[in-house]
Amino acid sequence: AQSVSQHNHHVILSEAASLELGCNYSYGGTVNLFWYVQYPGQHLQLLLKYFSGDPLVKGIKGFEAEFIKSKFSFNLRKPSVQWSDTAEYFCAVNAGSGNTPLVFGKGTRLSVIA
Amino acid sequence: DVKVTQSSRYLVKRTGEKVFLECVQDMDHENMFWYRQDPGLGLRLIYFSYDVKMKEKGDIPEGYSVSREKKERFSLILESASTNQTSMYLCASSYGLYNSPLHFGNGTRLTVT
Repeated sequence: AQSVSQHNHHVILSEAASLELGCNYSYGGTVNLFWYVQYPGQHLQLLLKYFSGDPLVKGIKGFEAEFIKSKFSFNLRKPSVQWSDTAEYFCAVNAGSGNTPLVFGKGTRLSVIA
Repeated sequence: DVKVTQSSRYLVKRTGEKVFLECVQDMDHENMFWYRQDPGLGLRLIYFSYDVKMKEKGDIPEGYSVSREKKERFSLILESASTNQTSMYLCASSYGLYNSPLHFGNGTRLTVT
C-alpha cells in the first residue's frame, strides 16, 4: 500500500525566511503527487501537482516543489515566506495509472512569525 | 468555480444516535470521497465512490456507511455514533481521471458526547 511521510510536524519561521517541507512516499510505480494547503478556518485547496514532465513544478502563491524519483521525494519550497503562509500543508500521492484515491501525509503545520 | 457543500459546519450528537452527513457537489464530478481529519493523523479515507450507487471502502470504514443515489450527492452515515468518531469530516470530489485534483468542502466538525 502507498504511504506518505511528512518529516516535520510543526515548523516555525520568521517572515522572509526560506521554506522547505519534506515529503517522501512509498510506491514503486508511476505516481501523481500533490501539495494541498489548509489556511486557518478554510477548506483544503490545491497548491500544486505533478504527474509528468518537468520535475520542478510551480504552484500558486510562489510555492514550488521538486519531484526526485530516485529519492521518492516531493519537497515543497518557497524562497521567502509571509505571515499569510501560516497554514497546514499536506502532501498526497496516488498511483499514476488507474483511478485510485489520494493517500495523504499527516500534515505539517507552518507558523510564520513577524 | 467548483463548489462542494457540506450540509452542516458543526454537529453535536449523542452516543448511539444515527448521524447523517450530507455532501453535494455542483461540477458533475464522477468521484466523491469522505475523509476524516484528526490532529497529528492527517486525512484518512473512510469511503469513496466512482459512480452513482457505487461505493468502495477506504482505510477506516468501520462504523460508517455511505450512500450515493445521485451523482452530485454523497452521504456519510454513522450507524451508531461513538465518542471515538468525534472528528472533522471532509467531503471531496474530482473528475474521473487519475491525476484530477480533489476539491474539498469546508468540513463538518462532529462532536459525539
